[in-house]
Amino acid sequence: GQQVMQIPQYQHVQEGEDFTTYCNSSTTLSNIQWYKQRPGGHPVFLIQLVKSGEVKKQKRLTFQFGEAKKNSSLHITATQTTDVGTYFCAGLWEGAQKLVFGQGTRLTINP
Amino acid sequence: NAGVTQTPKFQVLKTGQSMTLQCAQDMNHEYMSWYRQDPGMGLRLIHYSVGAGITDQGEVPNGYNVSRSTTEDFPLRLLSAAPSQTSVYFCASSYSRGRAEAFFGQGTRLTVV
Repeated sequence: GQQVMQIPQYQHVQEGEDFTTYCNSSTTLSNIQWYKQRPGGHPVFLIQLVKSGEVKKQKRLTFQFGEAKKNSSLHITATQTTDVGTYFCAGLWEGAQKLVFGQGTRLTINP
Repeated sequence: NAGVTQTPKFQVLKTGQSMTLQCAQDMNHEYMSWYRQDPGMGLRLIHYSVGAGITDQGEVPNGYNVSRSTTEDFPLRLLSAAPSQTSVYFCASSYSRGRAEAFFGQGTRLTVV
């Protein structure tokens, strides 16, 4: 079935370092969404990417959608302790009815 | 505006027992879904609904039933609980299937002993 592979599964950084998580699909996506889940919390929507090559920024977060619409990345510049949590991508394929989540990347930060 | 409300927040069941996890949304969203979250497995789709009276299976539907009699409610039923169903369950709703922000409930932590 259709799935998105997300790497890495875990990432530990020092506060102030950058962080990147990647999502890949073997087939072209219609759109991709990103969510953040704080420890003990529920997933919260961050952003949606729809266009080929799209780049969106939210303060220190940069989201990219590949030219072929098969991969996406989330980059955090100069991490802060408030960035701790698990980041999920979720993909939708053309004609599909369901959003499929990646396995998530758990980010921990050493202050 | 409460968003998506799930009850209960915690539940312990014995193997073989049945129960219903409740989910209600007040945003008039057509699309609702149930996920389970297990360590290292991400969020896996159990069942989803694109509107009242319409449901379909996700990636891991076995052992679970759903119904959608109203736009607001989307309960998840465990007919005969098994230890493998120990997990955190999230209900989500969105305006459009996969093309709009999904709002998640607070989750139900279920333990089957």
